[in-house]
Amino acid sequence: GAVVSQHPSRVICKSGTSVKIECRSLDFQATTMFWYRQFPKQSLMLMATSNEGSKATYEQGVEKDKFLINHASLTLSTLTVTSAHPEDSSFYICSAPGQKETQYFGPGTRLLVL
Amino acid sequence: GQQVMQIPQYQHVQEGEDFTTYCNSSTTLSNIQWYKQRPGGHPVFLIQLVKSGEVKKQKRLTFQFGEAKKNSSLHITATQTTDVGTYFCAAQYSGGYQKVTFGTGTKLQVIP
Repeated sequence: GAVVSQHPSRVICKSGTSVKIECRSLDFQATTMFWYRQFPKQSLMLMATSNEGSKATYEQGVEKDKFLINHASLTLSTLTVTSAHPEDSSFYICSAPGQKETQYFGPGTRLLVL
Repeated sequence: GQQVMQIPQYQHVQEGEDFTTYCNSSTTLSNIQWYKQRPGGHPVFLIQLVKSGEVKKQKRLTFQFGEAKKNSSLHITATQTTDVGTYFCAAQYSGGYQKVTFGTGTKLQVIP
């Protein structure tokens, strides 16, 4: 089946630094990818829709200048958490739509900001 | 915005007992998907329901989509310890451009 990868799987950074997370569709092309955030014991919350060749669409309450999204190719979307703070510590997951409107999720990236 | 509620939030069952989680949307859905997330893992797609009143089965799992396309349920018969995890429904709405809204999730614990 379709596979989506994420890198890194885990990252620890100091407060104030920026962190880049990559999401790749390995055996299919994705003009659209989605970025979610999941806090412990909570559901997945959609942050933004990444669109290849155009600007990302952000959900209400998500700061576009803090969470920079770049969809540079049909197989790669990146999420950069700028000037990360401890409250940004979370599990970040990307997904790409497959056939018949299913979603293929990446394995996720655990971010810990100290 | 659109909200998708699931009940119960948590469920502990003895191995062999049945389990059901319910998903409700305030507005009509285009389709509904179900996912399973194991502890420490990412969501894994289980199934998609599209038609009003649709029922689908996967071995011990039975999925239903309500007639009004606003609610859905997942029923597991004779639970096993491998069923442990959090089950999420995820809704798609007309005009949502492939975007899914996740339900609040039901965490299942199976006691051996």
